[in-house]
Amino acid sequence: EVQLVESGGGLVQPGGSLRLSCAASGFTFSSFEMNWVRQSPGKGLEWVSYISGSGSAIYYADSVKGRFTVSRDNAKNSLYLQMNSLRDEDTAVYYCARVSIGDWGQGTLVTVSS
Amino acid sequence: QAVLTQPSSLSASPGASASLTCTLRSGINVGTYRIYWYQQKPGSPPQYLLRYKSDSDKQQGSGVPSRFSGSKDASANAGILLISGLQSEDEADYYCMIWHSSAYVFGPGTKVTVL
Repeated sequence: EVQLVESGGGLVQPGGSLRLSCAASGFTFSSFEMNWVRQSPGKGLEWVSYISGSGSAIYYADSVKGRFTVSRDNAKNSLYLQMNSLRDEDTAVYYCARVSIGDWGQGTLVTVSS
Repeated sequence: QAVLTQPSSLSASPGASASLTCTLRSGINVGTYRIYWYQQKPGSPPQYLLRYKSDSDKQQGSGVPSRFSGSKDASANAGILLISGLQSEDEADYYCMIWHSSAYVFGPGTKVTVL
């Protein structure tokens, strides 16, 4: 059974940093692209970042480019999102997902507020 | 202009069929894209329904009933999610998604109400 479990969310002040993690199991992690998708309260889904199985290809949404960094550790079956210079508008539930296959975690809430 | 547009809401009666559209921006040809469809209920992550590019390139999500199906309307440059035999449990938000210019793009979502 595929499992994706996010962690690391919480309350952070504007301008602060946070690192999200996603622990994957149930599939050959290194063989698959992974994504971060977020959803602000009461809003729709917004894709945030993509990383290929090897980590050689990385893409970001314009809204986070230059502030967020995605990475993965295939030996640990883990995906990460380093979020710097956080803004109020980054407040959202962040999901780790294989969006083209349909596997999503339960999400972790990030709240940016003073 | 947004890459994907969806009607904000749709209402239908139990047992009826509902056709949800996902229109691609002018200049982006729907024929070249796989269109993914997700269902999301309050407080839960999105659930994968299906993807559709053509009748020879389509995939139903695991455990997703066959009354959910995908198609395209080339004349409207749109992907379509058809829900047949609407049930109360189908009341949810529905999102389409494509891979475009090295990014996944989600539509704004359609809220389906089963009256």
